Amino acid sequence: AQKITQTQPGMFVQEKEAVTLDCTYDTSDQSYGLFWYKQPSSGEMIFLIYQGSYDEQNATEGRYSLNFQKARKSANLVISASQLGDSAMYFCAMRENTGNQFYFGTGTSLTVIP
Amino acid sequence: EPEVTQTPSHQVTQMGQEVILRCVPISNHLYFYWYRQILGQKVEFLVSFYNNEISEKSEIFDDQFSVERPDGSNFTLKIRSTKLEDSAMYFCASRKGRENQPQHFGDGTRLSIL
Repeated sequence: AQKITQTQPGMFVQEKEAVTLDCTYDTSDQSYGLFWYKQPSSGEMIFLIYQGSYDEQNATEGRYSLNFQKARKSANLVISASQLGDSAMYFCAMRENTGNQFYFGTGTSLTVIP
Repeated sequence: EPEVTQTPSHQVTQMGQEVILRCVPISNHLYFYWYRQILGQKVEFLVSFYNNEISEKSEIFDDQFSVERPDGSNFTLKIRSTKLEDSAMYFCASRKGRENQPQHFGDGTRLSIL
């Protein structure tokens, strides 16, 4: 089974609107971390936001927030007030605290429309 | 802000040749990683390295691959006898070591096998 599933290969959003990028995960570990990375067309991987499995509050980082629903094993990224520079690939990732490896999803390509 | 640096940014090599990709992780980080991303596809884990030894590796990381930390700063990935399907972007990443710290990625080396 896939550890990380991103079901939206491509998304479009109007500038200044909010958008939600979906991510579900699969683990039997009790302790794990969830991460979102942005990959612009230039190729680098940029860390955006982190959520720990024991964190009771949803993580927020500027315009990024993580909608963490533990029972549903989902960790959706919400980008508020979208900007043209948000156009990029977005990857959800998980690390189980019993290991070192980070598992990545297949990514969602976000296009912000002016 | 300290960053992971990778050299070269682009490597072109004849099939069958050996290639060494170089990385300088962030200086106080303890965990090091190599990932591969074939064009347009997901980020694939290759190997993690901690305390001067491999801590985890994927099925992709077969005998063709090896990693080394030859001194206190460099972390290298060697690919012996390269194949056409080794063409990809190779990312190095490092992590501080505290449980919930994200990985920080370098800008990648684009490897093209001819």
